[in-house]
Amino acid sequence: EAGVAQSPRYKIIEKRQSVAFWCNPISGHATLYWYQQILGQGPKLLIQFQNNGVVDDSQLPKDRFSAERLKGVDSTLKIQPAKLEDSAVYLCASSSTSGTALAYEQYFGPGTRLTVT
Amino acid sequence: AQKVTQAQTEISVVEKEDVTLDCVYETRDTTYYLFWYKQPPSGELVFLIRRNSFDEQNEISGRYSWNFQKSTSSFNFTITASQVVDSAVYFCAPFSSNTGKLIFGQGTTLQVKP
Repeated sequence: EAGVAQSPRYKIIEKRQSVAFWCNPISGHATLYWYQQILGQGPKLLIQFQNNGVVDDSQLPKDRFSAERLKGVDSTLKIQPAKLEDSAVYLCASSSTSGTALAYEQYFGPGTRLTVT
Repeated sequence: AQKVTQAQTEISVVEKEDVTLDCVYETRDTTYYLFWYKQPPSGELVFLIRRNSFDEQNEISGRYSWNFQKSTSSFNFTITASQVVDSAVYFCAPFSSNTGKLIFGQGTTLQVKP
C-alpha cells in the first residue's frame, strides 16, 4: 500500500513570495491533516479535513495560509505572502474513519522543508 | 486541554545500552489514546504504538516496550539493547477522541553512538 505522498520535498523562496505544497493521502483515508513543524519543536496542527470539508482550522493563519481539498482526495496548502517565520517542515498526514481505534492512527508523509530567505 | 511533557530534551547512549524515554501527559478526557512516533533524520514521522486509556497492560514489541501508568499519567518507552538506527527524535502524543487532535510535545532526541 502506498503511503502519504508530498511534493516538493524542499523549497526555498524569498519572503513575500508565494508557495504551494501538495499532498496525496493513503487511498481510502477520509481524514487529512496539515501540520507545521518548526525546527526543534513537535508538529503543530494547521488544518484538518474530513473528506472535502474543514473540521478544524483554528490554528491556520488565515491571512496568509490557505488550504483546499476539493475532491476529498489530494490537498494543497498555500502560503501567500511568505514570512521568514514560516520556515519549517510542512507535514501531511491521513487517517481512516472506520469508527474503530485504528481510525485514530495518523500516517505521515515525508514532509516539505520550506526555507524562507 | 491536553498537554504532554517530555522532560528529556536529548539523550545520548552507547550502542547496546537500554534507554527509557519519559512521557507525562495531562488530559480531561475520560477516554483517550496515547501514541508514540519516531522521527528519524529523514523527517518522516513513523507510528510506533497506540494505547487506549482503558488498557494499562505493558506492551513489548521486540526491543521496544511501553509502560503505561494511568495513576501517574505516564507512558514511558524503553528501548532495550539500543542500536545506531534507533537514533531519532521520539514524540509522545495524546489523542482526544472528543477533539480528534493529536497533541505533540517537544520530543526527545535520542543519539545512539557506536
